[in-house]
Amino acid sequence: KAGVTQTPRYLIKTRGQQVTLSCSPISGHRSVSWYQQTPGQGLQFLFEYFSETQRNKGNFPGRFSGRQFSNSRSEMNVSTLELGDSALYLCASSSNRVSGANVLTFGAGSRLTVL
Amino acid sequence: QKEVEQDPGPLSVPEGAIVSLNCTYSNSAFQYFMWYRQYSRKGPELLMYTYSSGNKEDGRFTAQVDKSSKYISLFIRDSQPSDSATYLCAMSPQTGANNLFFGTGTRLTVIP
Repeated sequence: KAGVTQTPRYLIKTRGQQVTLSCSPISGHRSVSWYQQTPGQGLQFLFEYFSETQRNKGNFPGRFSGRQFSNSRSEMNVSTLELGDSALYLCASSSNRVSGANVLTFGAGSRLTVL
Repeated sequence: QKEVEQDPGPLSVPEGAIVSLNCTYSNSAFQYFMWYRQYSRKGPELLMYTYSSGNKEDGRFTAQVDKSSKYISLFIRDSQPSDSATYLCAMSPQTGANNLFFGTGTRLTVIP
């Protein structure tokens, strides 16, 4: 069974540009969550999509946005990049259990460097 | 103050040692507690999860939750060089939630 696939793995952008990151979840998983990982703050929740709808959102500015397609693939976009946006962006998919803890399966991440 | 605090280490131990990793938290609503392991250039992978207080054992790994003290621990027995990774605690206040609250991670190195 293929895992969570994120593309691109590495990218370099300059301040003011925008970036789009892609995530393909595990087959059959309909929930996709995005996290930002930095050395100082650790993993911070960005947002979650389920059946093409944003179900939950973290405390990030509106420059961070996402969407999910009918095949459950998801993209996130960051506009007007700032130096502080340099981070590892992780996507996780889950099977959306209705009780108990959801098991999140993470991709390897997209490492964004903003110069 | 972050809702989940974790000593970043780094922590170096000889092979075969018992490792203790810990997190404290401030939100008494947290009910689900997880430990993830992250190897270099990889995404986190779930090691263990527990609900509410108590212990859970899985092979060489034991997870403990003390809700009265808002303190969780992961113990690794007979540590191996392959255990060298960053260990992240995570927690959630509700069932089925995907917005987990993570510690910043503890980097562990097991020396052969």
